Amino acid sequence: GAGVSQTPSNKVTEKGKYVELRCDPISGHTALYWYRQSLGQGPEFLIYFQGTGAADDSGLPNDRFFAVRPEGSVSTLKIQRTERGDSAVYLCASSSLDGTGTQYFGPGTRLTVL
Amino acid sequence: GESVGLHLPTLSVQEGDNSIINCAYSNSASDYFIWYKQESGKGPQFIIDIRSNMDKRQGQRVTVLLNKTVKHLSLQIAATQPGDSAVYFCAELFYNQGGKLIFGQGTELSVKP
Repeated sequence: GAGVSQTPSNKVTEKGKYVELRCDPISGHTALYWYRQSLGQGPEFLIYFQGTGAADDSGLPNDRFFAVRPEGSVSTLKIQRTERGDSAVYLCASSSLDGTGTQYFGPGTRLTVL
Repeated sequence: GESVGLHLPTLSVQEGDNSIINCAYSNSASDYFIWYKQESGKGPQFIIDIRSNMDKRQGQRVTVLLNKTVKHLSLQIAATQPGDSAVYFCAELFYNQGGKLIFGQGTELSVKP
């Protein structure tokens, strides 16, 4: 079956621009997570959705970051006024349960801010 | 200029040997501990997990040991193969925080043929 997919796989943008990163979770998975991974480090939690609502957004670094999941399936992570420090791999994971199931990760989107 | 990341701890083993990867954690409230494998250019892949009230769990060629007294977790890989070469992360899961994962520092496993 299809796993978690993320698009684009790579995104290069200029400082100050706006970007959107998309995540397609495994069909039927109600829980969706976004993480950010910097070079040589483990993924860091950003936000968690249960259905359409953001149940925990405590990991978002500042108000330039926002994520939506309007129909409870696909999610979009939005970054405004990008900064060079936002460069990282953005990972999405989904789970079939409400926070207790195994999380399956997508391949990530590598964001480079010039 | 290009950013330089942290140097990961590295474990180098001979093909066919057993590997042991260690992880220390700090939060006693974790509900689950999970090991993930991450190959270059890919997302983390689930290997095995262990509930916090257990001390050992075995899978296919892998065993996870949990020592809550010293807050230590280990992953043992039997008969290591070249395909096991990757970065391995331990992660803690908290039910009361929606199941978000807190990842530890990874270990890079290199298997020499």
